[in-house]
Amino acid sequence: AAGVIQSPRHLIKEKRETATLKCYPIPRHDTVYWYQQGPGQDPQFLISFYEKMQSDKGSIPDRFSAQQFSDYHSELNMSSLELGDSALYFCASSPTTLVSDTDTQYFGPGTRLTVL
Amino acid sequence: AQSVTQLGSHVSVSEGALVLLRCNYSSSVPPYLFWYVQYPNQGLQLLLKYTSAATLVKGINGFEAEFKKSETSFHLTKPSAHMSDAAEYFCAVSHGGSNYKLTFGKGTLLTVNP
Repeated sequence: AAGVIQSPRHLIKEKRETATLKCYPIPRHDTVYWYQQGPGQDPQFLISFYEKMQSDKGSIPDRFSAQQFSDYHSELNMSSLELGDSALYFCASSPTTLVSDTDTQYFGPGTRLTVL
Repeated sequence: AQSVTQLGSHVSVSEGALVLLRCNYSSSVPPYLFWYVQYPNQGLQLLLKYTSAATLVKGINGFEAEFKKSETSFHLTKPSAHMSDAAEYFCAVSHGGSNYKLTFGKGTLLTVNP
């Protein structure tokens, strides 16, 4: 079965640089979520999109922005990177309508961002 | 606000022993509860979820969890631990059903000793 695809898997940036993370949801999933997991931490919700509109917002810094495109893929743009932005960034997708009892959020493998 | 608390950041068991990972939730509305597993340097994999149907939920890899409203708990168990179960386990609560943002607990690292 198709899974959530994230690219790149690893990214190394310098402080004050910008980074773009991409997420390709499971086919026919129209909702995308972004989470940030710092070293040794639990995942923290950043932002979500439904049908290309922002549906919810969590603890996302103003330096970050995100969008969902017409093909439902999503991009997380991060500017003025700081050392503290080093983390694993997960994307998850879900269908809006519960088709079956097993429908829920499916997570991608994550993008590991290292800021030097 | 809804939240989950995982008791014990590190649990160590012997191979073949019972696994018990504790999770308590706080919610003003009937919650949707989840257990995810994370292997080193990998993503989050859903083990099981509770969505107000059966209170005893069976998941993958022999894990199960029981929703106890009176105790506000959703503990994860497995009768016999296997070496391959060694991983980080996260309990999570959804704010509005299965398709809303998840709030995770701090995680419990499970170590399985031979």
